[in-house]
Amino acid sequence: GENVEQHPSTLSVQEGDSAVIKCTYSDSASNYFPWYKQELGKGPQLIIDIRSNVGEKKDQRIAVTLNKTAKHFSLHITETQPEDSAVYFCAASYGNQFYFGTGTSLTVIP
Amino acid sequence: NAGVTQTPKFQVLKTGQSMTLQCAQDMNHNSMYWYRQDPGMGLRLIYYSASEGTTDKGEVPNGYNVSRLNKREFSLRLESAAPSQTSVYFCASSEPGQGVIAQYFGPGTRLLVL
Repeated sequence: GENVEQHPSTLSVQEGDSAVIKCTYSDSASNYFPWYKQELGKGPQLIIDIRSNVGEKKDQRIAVTLNKTAKHFSLHITETQPEDSAVYFCAASYGNQFYFGTGTSLTVIP
Repeated sequence: NAGVTQTPKFQVLKTGQSMTLQCAQDMNHNSMYWYRQDPGMGLRLIYYSASEGTTDKGEVPNGYNVSRLNKREFSLRLESAAPSQTSVYFCASSEPGQGVIAQYFGPGTRLLVL
């Protein structure tokens, strides 16, 4: 099956700085890569996603890049704000199977 | 529009007891999923239902059963709970046919098995 690795497990940044979270996957059949934000005590919420036929996607302060050859994809958050503090999960999917990374706990220091 | 709802929010069981976790969605989605979330392990798929009347095993199905009662509801049953099933359980739904297969998650059920 698919194996998704996510790094780093924890990340602290100063408010206004950028944050980058990286994931790798093993199965070249994976064709959909969502990113989720999970706040304490809540379910994961989709923040951005990318399909395998696209190399980059941006939504305001959030962007995702995908390198299919190297089998890795990254989440970039610019101009971080305290409300960005949360746990972020990447996932790789094909069909109805979703495989998640182990999460990155992001802390934005005011 | 409540999205995905789950009941109960929290449950304590003794080893060997049974229980059913309920999930319902009001987004008219065809696909529904059950995940468990454990510290340091992310979310792992237990079972999913691609459409009403079908269910399939995910990554960690042992010790669980599911029922897709109708298009809205997808329940997860623990027949004989074990301490290893202590976890947070999330239900999710999606609509692959719309070209975007984003999953929408419920708030979770926290289960403690003693």
